[in-house]
Amino acid sequence: DAGVTQSPTHLIKTRGQHVTLRCSPISGHKSVSWYQQVLGQGPQFIFQYYEKEERGRGNFPDRFSARQFPNYSSELNVNALLLGDSALYLCASSSQTRANTGELFFGEGSRLTVL
Amino acid sequence: QQQVKQSPQSLIVQKGGISIINCAYENTAFDYFPWYQQFPGKGPALLIAIRPDVSEKKEGRFTISFNKSAKQFSLHIMDSQPGDSATYFCAAGGATNKLIFGTGTLLAVQP
Repeated sequence: DAGVTQSPTHLIKTRGQHVTLRCSPISGHKSVSWYQQVLGQGPQFIFQYYEKEERGRGNFPDRFSARQFPNYSSELNVNALLLGDSALYLCASSSQTRANTGELFFGEGSRLTVL
Repeated sequence: QQQVKQSPQSLIVQKGGISIINCAYENTAFDYFPWYQQFPGKGPALLIAIRPDVSEKKEGRFTISFNKSAKQFSLHIMDSQPGDSATYFCAAGGATNKLIFGTGTLLAVQP
């Protein structure tokens, strides 16, 4: 079975541009979460979507938005890119909404570099 | 209250030795404590996890020790191998929808 797939794997943008990152969860998983991992740090929670509804939002500015589609895939959008947005963006898939169920599976991430 | 503090930042261990990584948390609402392993260019992968109703959990060479009263937990890697060289993250979660991660420990196992 395929794991969590993310695209693109790497991308370079300039300040002020917009970026869209995509994620396909494990088959049968209805929950998708997005995490930002800055170099040398642990992942930080951005959003969770379950059954196409936003179920949680981390401490990120409104420039960050996301959505989930009927097939449970998801997009993360970031507007007006800043240098500090350079990071690895991780998508995590789960069959549950709560973090303590032990079923969070991560993709390999999209490496965003903002110049 | 949402922080998870992890130490050391980096660790060098000889092959066959024991690697020990420590974490501490403050939020008593956390009831799930996983450890993730991350290789360069890959996403984190769940290694082992523990819940507060037990003080120790062992899976192969990996053991989590949990001290509820001190709000601390640690990962022990026995008989460390060069293939264990990676970054290790502790995390904590509760009934909410997010995991809180530590800052990571870069482990290098020398042959």
